[in-house]
Amino acid sequence: GAVVSQHPSWVICKSGTSVKIECRSLDFQATTMFWYRQFPKQSLMLMATSNEGSKATYEQGVEKDKFLINHASLTLSTLTVTSAHPEDSSFYICSAIDAGTDTQYFGPGTRLTVL
Amino acid sequence: GESVGLHLPTLSVQEGDNSIINCAYSNSASDYFIWYKQESGKGPQFIIDIRSNMDKRQGQRVTVLLNKTVKHLSLQIAATQPGDSAVYFCAERAGNTPLVFGKGTRLSVIA
Repeated sequence: GAVVSQHPSWVICKSGTSVKIECRSLDFQATTMFWYRQFPKQSLMLMATSNEGSKATYEQGVEKDKFLINHASLTLSTLTVTSAHPEDSSFYICSAIDAGTDTQYFGPGTRLTVL
Repeated sequence: GESVGLHLPTLSVQEGDNSIINCAYSNSASDYFIWYKQESGKGPQFIIDIRSNMDKRQGQRVTVLLNKTVKHLSLQIAATQPGDSAVYFCAERAGNTPLVFGKGTRLSVIA
């Protein structure tokens, strides 16, 4: 089946630093990718929709200057958490739609811990 | 606003029994529904989907039922196994809008 990968799978950083997370669709092209955030024992919260070649669309309450999204190609989207703080610690999950089947697949997630 | 919710937050079943996980949705414009399985520390895993022009779809050991009249979705797992233990999320989408996730149901399989 379709595979979405994320890198890194976990990262620990100091407060004030920036962290970049990569999301790749491995065997299909994805014109649309999504970034979600998930807190323990909660459901996924959509942060933004990333469209290849255009600016991301952010959900209400998500700071676009803090969570920078770049969808540079049909198989790669990146999320950069700028000037990270402990409250940014969370599980970040990307997702991509296989344009051929219109099915949405999820990556394995990235655990971010900000000290 | 529109939302997707679940009737039961936790479900415990004996190994070998059938499991039924329910989901209610409120957006009458939703035309695509998906069930995901999420194990601890991992991303959601696609299980099965169904479009609004269908009321039933079967996969391997899983069946999804859609009742548009009462806006209800269910996931049936046959012969539940310990490996089925996880949190199950329903999600719905209307047209090209992003998926909306329900709160999740934890399925615990008792050996």
